[in-house]
Order: sequence, then structure tokens, then C-alpha cells
Amino acid sequence: EVQLLESGGGLVQPGGSLRLSCAASGFTFNNYAMSWVRQAPGKGLEWVSAINGRGFKTYYADSVKGRFTISRDNSKNTLYLQMNSLRAEDTAVYYCAKERLTVGAFDYWGQGTLVTVSS
Amino acid sequence: DIQMTQSPSSLSASVGDRVTMTCQASQDIRNYLNWYQQKPGKAPKLLIYDASNLEIGVPSRFSGSGSGTDFTFTISTLQPEDIATYYCQQYDNLPYTFGQGTKLEIK
Repeated sequence: EVQLLESGGGLVQPGGSLRLSCAASGFTFNNYAMSWVRQAPGKGLEWVSAINGRGFKTYYADSVKGRFTISRDNSKNTLYLQMNSLRAEDTAVYYCAKERLTVGAFDYWGQGTLVTVSS
Repeated sequence: DIQMTQSPSSLSASVGDRVTMTCQASQDIRNYLNWYQQKPGKAPKLLIYDASNLEIGVPSRFSGSGSGTDFTFTISTLQPEDIATYYCQQYDNLPYTFGQGTKLEIK
């Protein structure tokens, strides 16, 4: 059974940093691209970042480029999102999502972790 | 970025009804379109990929169609457990983008 378990969310001040983790199990982790998708309170879904299976290619939304870094440790079956220079508008539930082999469709999602940026 | 526009924003229907919603892309995305269902407080769930392919385990009352810029999502016979917000998402180009959602309610 595929499982994705996010952790690392919490309350942080504007300008601060946070690192999210997503522990994966139930599939061959290094065969699949992974993404982070966020959802601000009461709002829709926004794709944030993606990384290919080997971890060599990374992609970002313009809204986070230069501030967030996606990475993965395939030996630990874990996905990460390092978030720096956080802003109030980054407040959201952050989901990690597994992509299908035909990348671009998210077939499994974690339960989400809430990041609140506030003073 | 490719803009995805869903309509209607909200929809009220009765159990047993046929429900249809649409998604329009700001440019040709071929068939690179997915549909998700999100229930309150839960993560989204993939229902349809590549515009018309039913994800494994998803009931056959859900279906999708379309290509290019215009897409349709249909529930053939609405069930009470289908109450949710539905999102379309394109993956023809990065950044992947979602529609704003259609919130489905029971009359």
C-alpha cells in the first residue's frame, strides 16, 4: 500500500525557514517523480515544485523560485522541501504527491502538513 | 502559464441526477488533463487522467472527455458521497496548473 507521510509544518515568522519532509513507502521511490502541492486556507490547489526520480531535475512555480528547494534522498525514501524567506502568502497546507509514470498526474497524496507564516 | 477555468464554480444537484462540469484551458493542452475530487479536510484524489481514463478503483459513474482546450467531467448518477470540490489540472506545460474548482452540493 502506497503511503506518503508529511511532517515539519508549523508556525514560523515572516522571513523564517522551515523544512518539510515526506516519508514514502509501498512503491519503488526512485522510479517516480514527486511534487509538492499547496492549498491556502479556503482556496484552491497550487503546484509548488517537482523533482524527477533520480533527483537531478527540479522545477518550481515562479511564486517560490529562489526561496524554496526541493530534494530527495532515495536511500531513505524521503522527499524534502526547504522553505526560506517565508511570507504570509506561503501559509497553506502542503501536500506531497507521487506522480504516475506518465508524469503530471498525481495518483497518491499525503495527508498534508500546515505551514503558518505569521508574526 | 496556462490558465484553467472551471464552470460552474458551484453546483447543486439531487441524488440520482446526471452532473456535468467543464474546464477550459487558455491554450491547447492536447489531452494532458486530469480531474481530482477533494472532500473537506482531505487530500485530493485522482479520478480521471489523460482527459478520459478512469483511475483504478474509481467508480464507473465518473467520466471525462475532451481535448485541446475544452473538457467535460460527468457523474452519471449522483451519489451522496460525491459531495466534494472537483478540480481539473493540466500537465502539458510546467508549471502544472489547476482550475479554481467546482463545489458540488446536494439539493
